[in-house]
This record gives sequence, structure tokens and C-alpha cells, in this order.
Amino acid sequence: DTEVTQTPKHLVMGMTNKKSLKCEQHMGHRAMYWYKQKAKKPPELMFVYSYEKLSINESVPSRFSPECPNSSLLNLHLHALQPEDSALYLCASSESRWGASTDTQYFGPGTRLTVL
Amino acid sequence: AQRVTQPEKLLSVFKGAPVELKCNYSYSGSPELFWYVQYSRQRLQLLLRHISRESIKGFTADLNKGETSFHLKKPFAQEEDSAMYYCALPGQGAQKLVFGQGTRLTINP
Repeated sequence: DTEVTQTPKHLVMGMTNKKSLKCEQHMGHRAMYWYKQKAKKPPELMFVYSYEKLSINESVPSRFSPECPNSSLLNLHLHALQPEDSALYLCASSESRWGASTDTQYFGPGTRLTVL
Repeated sequence: AQRVTQPEKLLSVFKGAPVELKCNYSYSGSPELFWYVQYSRQRLQLLLRHISRESIKGFTADLNKGETSFHLKKPFAQEEDSAMYYCALPGQGAQKLVFGQGTRLTINP
């Protein structure tokens, strides 16, 4: 399996809801990423997990809570979101070889999130 | 700070014409640069990285350290090349990618 998968494809939620986005890869990659992409804009990094530990948090509001249960899975828990959080949320993974130069990142298809 | 500039938001060329997508960067040290592509209704994917020096789908990109550029070129554009193209380089730490604003390339028949 050489793809990153994301579920659900689409999600509509109210501002008081709690929901989760899921990401999975079976390429043996040890780094996993969450990005937010607004329409006609580049992806913006939110979080990086390396060897199941949070290594980068780009000052993301606490209403977004990442979780990495194991090396293949990455979740993004959502609570009390705002309409401006509506976007495409992308997951990515990379090998994260120690001492290597920047690894190629492999992206999932994204979850289109709408906050009402 | 690491920064990537893609000066053209939109680029339109005719099929069979040469195409060049511009990318300029600011980076302290020896940069490793990437081009990612997002075709309509497909996921973002790596097109090429300068370290591998490969030609992918007929595209090439040469790192010019003097001009701090990494322009993407193809001698004869095809309709299937229509897509959004992002130039990227590492941010602080090897795991972080900094993307340019992107160029939407349209190939006209």
C-alpha cells in the first residue's frame, strides 16, 4: 500500500460539535503531518509527528488537537470550531530518516471540512 | 527566514508551446528545492526535487544559486499539464516544507 488515506472525505459540523479526522499510511513512514489548505492557497503546516511524538506545532489554536496512536495512524480532533476553520485538511507522511535531507512528503486526498 | 516566491498566480500557454514557471527563494545555506503539483481532483504530489536531477513528465528544473531561482520548464506543453504548481523548500528543520503561493497553469488546445 503506497498511499495515504483520509476519512471522511467531507465533513459538515456545527460550532458546538466534536468530530475527528483520520489519516492512515502503511508505507512505514515515521513522520506524519497535518496541513490546512484554504481555497486557492498553498497548504499551511499545522502539526508534525515524528516517531509518534509531536515535534512541531505551528501555534495552532487548541480547538485542534492532534493524536498519533501508532506509527500508521494520525488523528485530528476538532472541538468548538469557527466558520473560518472551514478548509481542506491534508495529511501527509514521509520517511523521516535520521540525518537525511528533507524527505519527500506523500499527501492524502484531504478532508473537506465545513463549519456552520 | 526561508521564503519562496512564485510571481505568477496564473499562467496560460498553448499546447505545444514551451512553458516556464518561475520560483525564487531566500534560504541560508544550501537549499533543497521541490516542485509539487496538484491536478484537478487529485492529491498534491511531488513532481520533482532538485537533488535527484530527474526529468519527470518532461519537466526539468535547474537550481541557480546566483539568481536564487528554481524555475520549472517544459519544452512542449501538453493539455494534461494543466494544474496547480507549488515550489517548496525546507523550513526550519528537515520536516518542515515552506510552499510558495502557487501558479495555476492552463494549457490551451
